[in-house]
Amino acid sequence: AQSVTQPDIHITVSEGASLELRCNYSYGATPYLFWYVQSPGQGLQLLLKYFSGDTLVQGIKGFEAEFKRSQSSFNLRKPSVHWSDAAEYFCAVAPDSNYQLIWGAGTKLIIKP
Amino acid sequence: DVKVTQSSRYLVKRTGEKVFLECVQDMDHENMFWYRQDPGLGLRLIYFSYDVKMKEKGDIPEGYSVSREKKERFSLILESASTNQTSMYLCASSLFRGGGGALLNTEAFFGQGTRLTVV
Repeated sequence: AQSVTQPDIHITVSEGASLELRCNYSYGATPYLFWYVQSPGQGLQLLLKYFSGDTLVQGIKGFEAEFKRSQSSFNLRKPSVHWSDAAEYFCAVAPDSNYQLIWGAGTKLIIKP
Repeated sequence: DVKVTQSSRYLVKRTGEKVFLECVQDMDHENMFWYRQDPGLGLRLIYFSYDVKMKEKGDIPEGYSVSREKKERFSLILESASTNQTSMYLCASSLFRGGGGALLNTEAFFGQGTRLTVV
């Protein structure tokens, strides 16, 4: 069965430090890949997406993600986090033959002052 | 600016009540979805609809039903609310995926969520 794994439930980083959130998927072909962010009490907002082409994708709020086919990964990165980045981050995958998104369980990002 | 609007941010209902959660999108999207979100479980799909009057069960449809009479509106119905349906409910919409493998802009746009408490 197709699945998405975000191995870190919580991550704590200091303000100004770099960030990497991990996402691995289980799927035979190259799926369509997404990262969403959910601020407290809010719905989800799309950060970035990968459909094809350049494997390094730029998103909003200074985030980027890199698709690595050999590792079935789509990790999210930011060179320097701000306190406003504290939120929950979700990785999602859209298999080619399906309307649905398959979601990871989310990673909660905590920023230390 | 694209918009998905859920009718309530917070709801408190009694056990056994029939509950309606409403969602409206203004983007002319074909697909609409209802998810519930619980801590540690991520998003779980309850139902989705790919056209007016069409619906498909998601991963956890038990205790829920849906209605899509108009393209822009997708309603989630809890037939007889129970305490284990206390949760955050998220509505989303997305464009139709084109035929022949062509992928249209299938990212999902979300409403702000409805936090339902059943007492």
